[in-house]
Amino acid sequence: ILNVEQSPQSLHVQEGDSTNFTCSFPSSNFYALHWYRWETAKSPEALFVMTLNGDEKKKGRISATLNTKEGYSYLYIKGSQPEDSATYLCALPLSGSARQLTFGSGTQLTVLP
Amino acid sequence: DAMVIQNPRYQVTQFGKPVTLSCSQTLNHNVMYWYQQKSSQAPKLLFHYYDKDFNNEADTPDNFQSRRPNTSFCFLDIRSPGLGDAAMYLCATSTPGTGAVGEQFFGPGTRLTVL
Repeated sequence: ILNVEQSPQSLHVQEGDSTNFTCSFPSSNFYALHWYRWETAKSPEALFVMTLNGDEKKKGRISATLNTKEGYSYLYIKGSQPEDSATYLCALPLSGSARQLTFGSGTQLTVLP
Repeated sequence: DAMVIQNPRYQVTQFGKPVTLSCSQTLNHNVMYWYQQKSSQAPKLLFHYYDKDFNNEADTPDNFQSRRPNTSFCFLDIRSPGLGDAAMYLCATSTPGTGAVGEQFFGPGTRLTVL
């Protein structure tokens, strides 16, 4: 069993604020980490797949970093907008060849106009 | 646009009355997954298909069954829904060979209510 923890569970920020949240995982037997964004009434969509310690990925105002030695990934949103409101999920595979992902319970972000 | 479609989006059933949730995909992906997400919890994998090869997670209750008649369609059957089965059910697909880094493509989910 893979224990994937996300914090905080929910977060409210004002439009224009920058924010970040955390995904924690066991540092042993790391293969990859996925970030997904899930907007209400829509399909979860992939943001990033991260594989190497020190990885940093960026898509617009959203970026993510990875520390496999200490077992965490941060997701950053710069200048939050109401359309960033969503649940952000991280997930890890059980093995290098595993198709199955173990998800965290997500961080629910609300950006207030 | 290629996509993963789930029908219905909302399903209400009665305690003990069998229900079937449907998923279809136009991505032509070999792998299809069913997840269950209860309120504020992590999505939990129930089972997945690699082509017609069915892979059940060890802790998936026997009450949950699945069928995949062809590449495009996959069904989740709940034989005797209990109140604890009320949840969001997500279908997803992926391509084989991508292993741990393979992106999964999700449908919008079906929210099941059990009365």
